[in-house]
Amino acid sequence: GAGVSQSPSNKVTEKGKDVELRCDPISGHTALYWYRQSLGQGLEFLIYFQGNSAPDKSGLPSDRFSAERTGGSVSTLTIQRTQQEDSAVYLCASSLVVTDTQYFGPGTRLTVL
Amino acid sequence: AQKVTQAQTEISVVEKEDVTLDCVYETRDTTYYLFWYKQPPSGELVFLIRRNSFDEQNEISGRYSWNFQKSTSSFNFTITASQVVDSAVYFCALSNDYKLSFGAGTTVTVRA
Repeated sequence: GAGVSQSPSNKVTEKGKDVELRCDPISGHTALYWYRQSLGQGLEFLIYFQGNSAPDKSGLPSDRFSAERTGGSVSTLTIQRTQQEDSAVYLCASSLVVTDTQYFGPGTRLTVL
Repeated sequence: AQKVTQAQTEISVVEKEDVTLDCVYETRDTTYYLFWYKQPPSGELVFLIRRNSFDEQNEISGRYSWNFQKSTSSFNFTITASQVVDSAVYFCALSNDYKLSFGAGTTVTVRA
């Protein structure tokens, strides 16, 4: 079956612009997660969804970051007024239920100029 | 707080050599899960194994094997008879619920 998909695969933007990153989880997976991978910080948890609810947003770096999930499926991570330090690979994962194994998508490489 | 330490930053071996990747973890929870993921040059994190804290049995899958020892809080990974396709970054991770805490990763380079 299809795995987790993310779009775009690459995004180059100018400082101060807003960006939206999309994640399509594996069909039937109720839990969805966002992580960020950067050279300096490694792999960091950002937020997760159980259905359409986000019980833990503690990993979001600042209030410029937000995420939503609709229909228990697709999720969008939005970064407003991007900064150069937001440059990273944003990874999405999904699992059948929370605490189950997380399967990752290919990531979106964000570059903020 | 949970912490995962992968002390080896890079390992370089010649094809057919065995390679062991170390992973040491810290957690106060009695129930937790340990994972290994592989990240090849393409960038996607590929799931390799999941082990819960109550199952200390070692596991073998083809050329891969894992040694879980609660007494030393370690979950080491061995690739036997390495191949060039094993070249990747390998991450050890720990979770007690929904959040994966990753180690810094070990870059494995297998030379032909």
